[in-house]
Amino acid sequence: SYELTQPPSVSVSPGQTASITCSGDKLGDKYACWYQQKPGQSPLLVIYQDSERPSGIPERFSGSNSGNTATLTISGTQAMDEADYYCQAWDSNTVVFGGGTKLTVL
Amino acid sequence: QVQLVQSGAEVKKPGSSVKVSCKASGGTFSSYAITWVRQAPGQGLEWMGGIIPIFGTTNFAQKFQGRVTITADESTSTAYMELRRLRSEDTAVYYCARGETPLTHFDYWGQGTLVTVSS
Repeated sequence: SYELTQPPSVSVSPGQTASITCSGDKLGDKYACWYQQKPGQSPLLVIYQDSERPSGIPERFSGSNSGNTATLTISGTQAMDEADYYCQAWDSNTVVFGGGTKLTVL
Repeated sequence: QVQLVQSGAEVKKPGSSVKVSCKASGGTFSSYAITWVRQAPGQGLEWMGGIIPIFGTTNFAQKFQGRVTITADESTSTAYMELRRLRSEDTAVYYCARGETPLTHFDYWGQGTLVTVSS
């Protein structure tokens, strides 16, 4: 079965750039998307179709996908961006989520 | 504004079944897919399956094949997920979410329904 691998945790200083990776076999041939989830809340779509931002998502969130890796980049990270982030793709009629990455802003 | 409102928390015995509802408002229910995702305490997101109401077609994760039923009632804009033969490992928050298909990105999510399986 298809798997997506994320680092368990990423730390970033306020104002700096955070990059969260998501790896999967030939992931670049598929569409990847990203969700943000804060404690006690439902997931929020922040990037879809590799690099598109839904309405209302700040411009500091961007995405890319090539080869075996999709990347979520948060520029000028703010304290409010501290959350869990999940990548998602689909393969063989099955949705796959990455294991999630806890972003700490300190 | 699209909203997905789910039914309330449930406590179930092992071996029983649970049925969670997800009522949509503010959009065209039949034109989109409703998918179900669960999250065990402290764990990540796990896709269970989804339905396209206008066609009634469903997709399921292999792990849940034969144990889950997903239906939709277009007249009330409500989707349902029933999970049978519950076990303690099914304790989780269950989310419904909307997407163009059951497989693509999901732009609106319900508030989640906590299902606790305990004897």
